[in-house]
Amino acid sequence: SQQGEEDPQALSIQEGENATMNCSYKTSINNLQWYRQNSGRGLVHLILIRSNEREKHSGRLRVTLDTSKKSSSLLITASRAADTASYFCATDELSGANNLFFGTGTRLTVIP
Amino acid sequence: GAGVSQSPRYKVAKRGQDVALRCDPISGHVSLFWYQQALGQGPEFLTYFQNEAQLDKSGLPSDRFFAERPEGSVSTLKIQRTQQEDSAVYLCASTEGSTDTQYFGPGTRLTVL
Repeated sequence: SQQGEEDPQALSIQEGENATMNCSYKTSINNLQWYRQNSGRGLVHLILIRSNEREKHSGRLRVTLDTSKKSSSLLITASRAADTASYFCATDELSGANNLFFGTGTRLTVIP
Repeated sequence: GAGVSQSPRYKVAKRGQDVALRCDPISGHVSLFWYQQALGQGPEFLTYFQNEAQLDKSGLPSDRFFAERPEGSVSTLKIQRTQQEDSAVYLCASTEGSTDTQYFGPGTRLTVL
């Protein structure tokens, strides 16, 4: 079963605009990761944020984590057409399970 | 260095056939995971190996699914008597430890007719 949900399910923006995607999850976690998936391809790791961190940056990516609300957001600034993909959040549960629990994904389309 | 590779990339099977999907993890990675991704959904966990030991197989949907990693490197996911509901992309991932970033292969898209 899916651990989390991304919001929105689909997002369409113009090149140069910022894109914000949200993720909610259900249980206590060790860390939360964001992945990108281009159509027909595998998942590419973007960024990992640990449960004791609140914000993290990597290039044009900014991730926030609010463990009290069990939510995270991914901001992509100055979007490019190449950012068009599906974005998934994945959590590593505190209970000890080693696998990742993925959300349902946000389909981002960046219009040139 | 080389990433995670999977073969075949695409597999079409007739209902009732057995299939075997291969995963070559990143060299030296201890942990290996298999996930199933249905169309339009996020990946869902199937099973987890640490070296050659299968430590968690709670996500395998039925006893028709079997995975092995006999020498602690290459892994094979076998599906017996395939059904249409088995149609999905099967993803493999590996990590150095058990809680590090998971690196995914390109997946095998299985279509059962």
